[in-house]
Amino acid sequence: NAGVTQTPKFQVLKTGQSMTLQCAQDMNHNSMYWYRQDPGMGLRLIYYSASEGTTDKGEVPNGYNVSRLNKREFSLRLESAAPSQTSVYFCASHTGTVNTEAFFGQGTRLTVV
Amino acid sequence: GQQLNQSPQSMFIQEGEDVSMNCTSSSIFNTWLWYKQDPGEGPVLLIALYKAGELTSNGRLTAQFGITRKDSFLNISASIPSDVGIYFCAGQDADKVIFGPGTSLSVIP
Repeated sequence: NAGVTQTPKFQVLKTGQSMTLQCAQDMNHNSMYWYRQDPGMGLRLIYYSASEGTTDKGEVPNGYNVSRLNKREFSLRLESAAPSQTSVYFCASHTGTVNTEAFFGQGTRLTVV
Repeated sequence: GQQLNQSPQSMFIQEGEDVSMNCTSSSIFNTWLWYKQDPGEGPVLLIALYKAGELTSNGRLTAQFGITRKDSFLNISASIPSDVGIYFCAGQDADKVIFGPGTSLSVIP
């Protein structure tokens, strides 16, 4: 069972470079999320997509863009990476109905130098 | 915006002891979730709570959904070394899942 798959697992970028983090889920879930996790802090919501074709800002959207390519895939793009974006990024999905839980990918560890 | 607070921030306990941690919110949630994260891994769901007042157990873990819908607690009984990790509470509304900052648990053998 694949669940939620994120790529890449590790990435080092130079300041100003761009990259896209990929996320795919095979559970036919409607809602998908991108979080970042920083040392000593919890998971902060960057963007989410309640259903295919919709995206909304979370708590910390600045510096990021997202695309809900189809029901399975939700990508996160850094157009011009900054050292403050060094973090571990987690993608998650859930069915979209109220009484269900979210499932997480393994994370992408991003370092911006 | 919606915010969750967890206490304590970190705990060091002796193996075999019971543990209790809390989560409070400024907003009402319809669903409360407790996750555990091991180093280098994504969070894994431990317990999901769907009704105010609900008390749910999963092995040595017990969690309750507060009656006000603004809080929840998680208890771990008879802790073992593999309980080490960060425990996150999360509140879920129609669209979003919001996480608390986590409680870091260390178990001393």
